[in-house]
Amino acid sequence: EIVMTQSPTTLSVSPGERATLSCRASETVTSNLAWYQQKPGQAPRLLIHGASTRATGIPARFSGSGYDTEFTLTIHSLQSEDFAIYHCQQYHDWPLTFGGGTKVAIK
Amino acid sequence: EVELVESGGGLVQPGGSLRLSCAASGFSFSSSWMTWVRHAPGKGLEWVANIKQDGSDIHYVDSVRGRFTISRDNAKNSVFLQMNSLRAEDTAVYYCATSPFYFESWGQGALVTVSS
Repeated sequence: EIVMTQSPTTLSVSPGERATLSCRASETVTSNLAWYQQKPGQAPRLLIHGASTRATGIPARFSGSGYDTEFTLTIHSLQSEDFAIYHCQQYHDWPLTFGGGTKVAIK
Repeated sequence: EVELVESGGGLVQPGGSLRLSCAASGFSFSSSWMTWVRHAPGKGLEWVANIKQDGSDIHYVDSVRGRFTISRDNAKNSVFLQMNSLRAEDTAVYYCATSPFYFESWGQGALVTVSS
C-alpha cells in the first residue's frame, strides 16, 4: 500500500499570510494526487485533483503542485474560512490512501 | 445539484451488523462509480470501498474485506454498505461519495459506533 505522509501536523498562520502544506508518497503516484479541505462537523470538500487542477468553484488562492512523491498545497493570503484540516489522497493504486491530515490553525 | 444522503448509522455491539444506505440525486447515478470513505475519531480519512456503475468491479480496503459488502441499486439511485462482524475500530463517520478515484461530492455522513 502507498503510504501518504503529511507535514506539518499543525500549521499556525495569521490571516492574510501564505500557508504551505506538504504531502509525501512512499512510492510514485505520478500526478494522481488530490487535496481536500474539512471543517469540524462537515464532510471533506475536494480542492485539487491531478496534483494541480482546482476543482469546480475552488478559489484561485488554492494551488497545488508536485509530481511523483512530493506534493505541495499552497493557500495564498489565508482567509478566515480557510482554517480547517487538509487531507491529501493518492489514487494511483489500490488501496486508495489518505495522509493523516494537516490542521491549519489561526496564529 | 448533487445530493447524497446517508442513513442507517447507529450504535451496535461488537460482532454485530449494520447496513448503511446512501440516496443520491442531482446527477446520473447509473453512470457514476460510488465510494464509501470513513473518518474515525482522531484519525485520518480512510477509503473503504468502491463500486463500478454496473456493479461489475468492486474494491475494498484490506481491513474490511470479507466483512463489508458494497452494493448498489441503480433503479433506486442508492448505494449500500453491509457491515458484518463489526469491531470497535470500525467506529467512524461513514461518508458516501461520487467518482471512482478522487471524490468530488460527499454526503453529510452517518455515525457508526461499535461498543458494548
